[in-house]
Amino acid sequence: SSELTQDPAVSVALGQTVRITCQGDSLRGFYASWYQQKPAQAPVLVIYGKNNRASGIPDRFSGSRSGNTASLTITGAQAEDEADYYCHSRDSSGNHPSFGGGTKLTVL
Amino acid sequence: QVQLQQWGAGLLKPSETLSLTCSIYADSLSDCFWSWIRQAPGKGLQWIGEINHNGKTNYNPSLGSRITVSLDTTKSQVSLKLTSVTAADTAVYYCAREWYYGSGEKFDYWGQGSLVTVSS
Repeated sequence: SSELTQDPAVSVALGQTVRITCQGDSLRGFYASWYQQKPAQAPVLVIYGKNNRASGIPDRFSGSRSGNTASLTITGAQAEDEADYYCHSRDSSGNHPSFGGGTKLTVL
Repeated sequence: QVQLQQWGAGLLKPSETLSLTCSIYADSLSDCFWSWIRQAPGKGLQWIGEINHNGKTNYNPSLGSRITVSLDTTKSQVSLKLTSVTAADTAVYYCAREWYYGSGEKFDYWGQGSLVTVSS
């Protein structure tokens, strides 16, 4: 089991706002990064740090952190945002990178 | 801009050794780690190991002593060896650049992925 916990699945209506969360003790001291993965493709970095978008990522994607929870928010979700999303930070020891279990986002 | 191109064996028998290589096209190999991440069919991402330009390595404890990551700076290649494979090692394996920025890290460049299947 992952030390970073994500909801397995989330859905959002087209054009609406959705928040995907990631919980873990390491997030209190270490920022999360977020990755989007579409079927049969490599993951793509979306958000890192306090709230930094990776190159080429639309500004409808944003990130935040509160306590031990990191969040990825999509404001005005588009059909092309349907994908698996993974958070990444450190394991509880702080010694190794770790991924959340992933959240499958469905855009209705 | 950084590009990562992977290659390696796709079908292995149990107990064999997995061997993958990733060519790094980048201005510098320094100031970052080069990681391997895998994804079993239908499952999530699992970080398995990393190395920096000084040869410092760090491995996922779950793999024990089976894993070796190496970096050939003359060829700009990072390699993965995983011994005594089983069906549980069947996965798509990715190489990725891991960039630290003090209060966090990010995998900002990824290879295309290599499917490795372990089957008798």
